[in-house]
Amino acid sequence: EVQLVESGGSLVRPGGSLRLSCAASGFTFNHNAMAWLRQAPGKGLEWISAISGGSDTVYYADSVKGRFTISRDNSKNTLYLQMNSLRTEDTATYYCSTLNTWFEFDFWGRGTLVTVSS
Amino acid sequence: SFVLTQPPSVSAAPGRTARIPCAGNDIATKSVHWYQQRPGQAPVLVSYYDRDRPSGIPDRFSGSISGNTATLTITRVEAGDEADYYCQVWDSSSNPVVFGGGTKLTVL
Repeated sequence: EVQLVESGGSLVRPGGSLRLSCAASGFTFNHNAMAWLRQAPGKGLEWISAISGGSDTVYYADSVKGRFTISRDNSKNTLYLQMNSLRTEDTATYYCSTLNTWFEFDFWGRGTLVTVSS
Repeated sequence: SFVLTQPPSVSAAPGRTARIPCAGNDIATKSVHWYQQRPGQAPVLVSYYDRDRPSGIPDRFSGSISGNTATLTITRVEAGDEADYYCQVWDSSSNPVVFGGGTKLTVL
């Protein structure tokens, strides 16, 4: 059974940093592209970053480019999101997901809440 | 950048058919995926590659495309289908993942 468990969300001040983790199990992690998405309270889904299985290809949404960094450790079956220069508009539940053949997000974690507020 | 447009809400009575549209210019040239998000839960993929269904998704859910509109059709609607539904494509642009704004399905 595929399991994705996010952690690391918390309350942080504007301008601060945070690192999210996503522990994966139940599938061959290094064979799968992975992604981070988020959902602000009461809003729709927003994709923010994706990374290939071997980390050779990464993508970022314009809204986070230059501030967020996606990475993975295939030896630990873990996906990361380093978030710097956080803004109040980054407040959201952050989800990690597998990214499949047709660029669909086929499995999702339950999410971790990041609140950026002074 | 590519834009997907969904109506904010759709309603259907139990046992009837709900159709949720997702409009986008030349959408038929892309692979369209659909997600269901029940209140307080993570999204779940219910249709991918225009019309395929992931394992475990009932055949009451089906995707289709006609012209510039993709549609998620839910037959024999149940109370448990009440949720937000999002369409999504991958676009070959600087912002490659595009979601529609979401449609809230209300079961009357």
